[in-house]
Amino acid sequence: DIQMTQSPSSLSASVGDRVTVTCRSSQSISNYLNWYQQKPGKAPKLLISAASSLQSGVPSRFSGSGSGTDFTLTISSLQPEDFATYYCQQSHTTPWTFGQGTNVEIK
Amino acid sequence: QVQLQESGPGLVKPSQILSLTCTVSGGSISSGSYYWSWIRQPAGKGLEWIGRFYTSGSTNYNPSLKSRATISLDTSKNQFSLKLSSVTAADTAVYFCARDGPHCSGGTCSYAFDIWGQGTVVTVSS
Repeated sequence: DIQMTQSPSSLSASVGDRVTVTCRSSQSISNYLNWYQQKPGKAPKLLISAASSLQSGVPSRFSGSGSGTDFTLTISSLQPEDFATYYCQQSHTTPWTFGQGTNVEIK
Repeated sequence: QVQLQESGPGLVKPSQILSLTCTVSGGSISSGSYYWSWIRQPAGKGLEWIGRFYTSGSTNYNPSLKSRATISLDTSKNQFSLKLSSVTAADTAVYFCARDGPHCSGGTCSYAFDIWGQGTVVTVSS
């Protein structure tokens, strides 16, 4: 299986901060990488597919980059509604696997 | 728009079979290049993909479940189902159904879970 490792596991940030979450895969996955946002008690929501393609309706402050084994999710200016847990997921080879999640908390 | 809704028992006894159904509304389960997936999340933990089914009959499963999972489609009811056998307490989780579809950008089509059900809690306990 392809292992996905996110860092950090949690972070504290203030409204307006620039936030970066990193995801690393155990082998090259080209750009077969997706990002999700999950709020407590809710299903995850797809934010970004194919490493950098922003989903319709997702604010432009979210962006994704990377290829191969190293990927980044960036929130350019953190908003109150962005406090949540973020997961990366590879869709290069089944079984699809997720990172362990990054919890973005209010500072 | 397409919506998914899980249903099934919230409590299952150890060693028995966990059975869940996902009802798809707002679109046909047979149309498009979509797989239909199950994903679970133990309380306070991360996400684990269980498996997926394509309308052609093609399936993929997570080997971590050691062949205990079976996913099937009922196109007449626009539903797909999960059966997980020989359950233990370790199978206690929120179970989500999701549409697994291709998202294409710059010549790459990456499958992603673009529509999710709200999730259903399943507890394995005697």
